[in-house]
Amino acid sequence: DQQVKQNSPSLSVQEGRISILNCDYTNSMFDYFLWYKKYPAEGPTFLISISSIKDKNEDGRFTVFLNKSAKHLSLHIVPSQPGDSAVYFCAARFGTNAGKSTFGDGTTLTVKP
Amino acid sequence: DAGVIQSPRHEVTEMGQEVTLRCKPISGHNSLFWYRQTMMRGLELLIYFNNNVPIDDSGMPEDRFSAKMPNASFSTLKIQPSEPRDSAVYFCASSLAGVNEQFFGPGTRLTVL
Repeated sequence: DQQVKQNSPSLSVQEGRISILNCDYTNSMFDYFLWYKKYPAEGPTFLISISSIKDKNEDGRFTVFLNKSAKHLSLHIVPSQPGDSAVYFCAARFGTNAGKSTFGDGTTLTVKP
Repeated sequence: DAGVIQSPRHEVTEMGQEVTLRCKPISGHNSLFWYRQTMMRGLELLIYFNNNVPIDDSGMPEDRFSAKMPNASFSTLKIQPSEPRDSAVYFCASSLAGVNEQFFGPGTRLTVL
């Protein structure tokens, strides 16, 4: 049972436009959500996170939205830049397993100049 | 800080051989995670340690896999005997207890012929 799902394997957008990456989860016990970015031949790097007590968190060009009733979160990148081209992983965790995160399969974002 | 260090970066071995992957976490971090990334299964957690103690090894696929953390600055993941289906990228990550963000190493690409 995959508890964290990223249903879009890939996304392509034009430079300067908005990129929206989506993530769905099934476990209502998850209380913290994270997005990681991964370039080829490198490990994932932390990008942005959100607690389940919030519905939005913003950091520069990156905003994460959380809809708990729908068990859905999304990452918005505005404006998109070619350097944002990477694989984006959604991850979720809950307090009883502090540190243990469940990852989605990732979405490959391509930003075209 | 040098970040999480993994060695080797690439490993090619023949079926039946023993493989040992190594990880040095970020100094001061007390949680360590081993992940495996494949096309079929995405990024999956194999095992994680808190303060050098294995907390959850439910992701370890079989008895052929074992992990140790003899001290706070070193961990190994061993596969014995290795099989072609073990071919994957293995990531090590570390974090501070109570902090949600994990820091990943560059990964070890394992190919079992």
